[in-house]
Amino acid sequence: AQTVTQSQPEMSVQEAETVTLSCTYDTSESDYYLFWYKQPPSRQMILVIRQEAYKQQNATENRFSVNFQKAAKSFSLKISDSQLGDAAMYFCAYNTGGTSYGKLTFGQGTILTVHP
Amino acid sequence: GAVVSQHPSWVICKSGTSVKIECRSLDFQATTMFWYRQFPKQSLMLMATSNEGSKATYEQGVEKDKFLINHASLTLSTLTVTSAHPEDSSFYICSASGPRFSGTFGSGTRLTVV
Repeated sequence: AQTVTQSQPEMSVQEAETVTLSCTYDTSESDYYLFWYKQPPSRQMILVIRQEAYKQQNATENRFSVNFQKAAKSFSLKISDSQLGDAAMYFCAYNTGGTSYGKLTFGQGTILTVHP
Repeated sequence: GAVVSQHPSWVICKSGTSVKIECRSLDFQATTMFWYRQFPKQSLMLMATSNEGSKATYEQGVEKDKFLINHASLTLSTLTVTSAHPEDSSFYICSASGPRFSGTFGSGTRLTVV
């Protein structure tokens, strides 16, 4: 079974600084998808970024970028120029794609606090 | 596009009663819907997967007779918590996938059983 591990229960960052959230996963599949979701206090799940395992290039979405290390099964999220609105719980997630696309295995989550 | 509407957002019910939660895909056909449960400050745990027109597939440890899932159309799935008890109090959230969109979440339902 696939597992996703986020080893940082809480992280904090100063506004305008950069922070990196860690995620590791375990799978025997060669093709899969990895995601970072943001869950603010409203609890709405918001997709931050997606990475397809067969793509070597790291995904980037504005201030959010990932460092995808397939061999090491590592998938970290870097938030640059942190803003107060980035404060939320962040979840790393995995799925195998195909007919299971949308069926996600989540990590434990990391609570991110942004200090003004 | 890819909007999923979930209702109600918050419900309180008495112990022993049943509660129905609806999840609708507003602008796409959701061939598959997923139901998750989340306890405060914890991760989302998949409860079941439902495909339109067929029986739901439940994850290990999830009571299918307590959590009834119906996915009768390509735009609507419902989760009914039957004979609810305080331990069923939780945050329930759905996500929908279709030919063009995947992994879109509803806004969630906070269930409190008193």
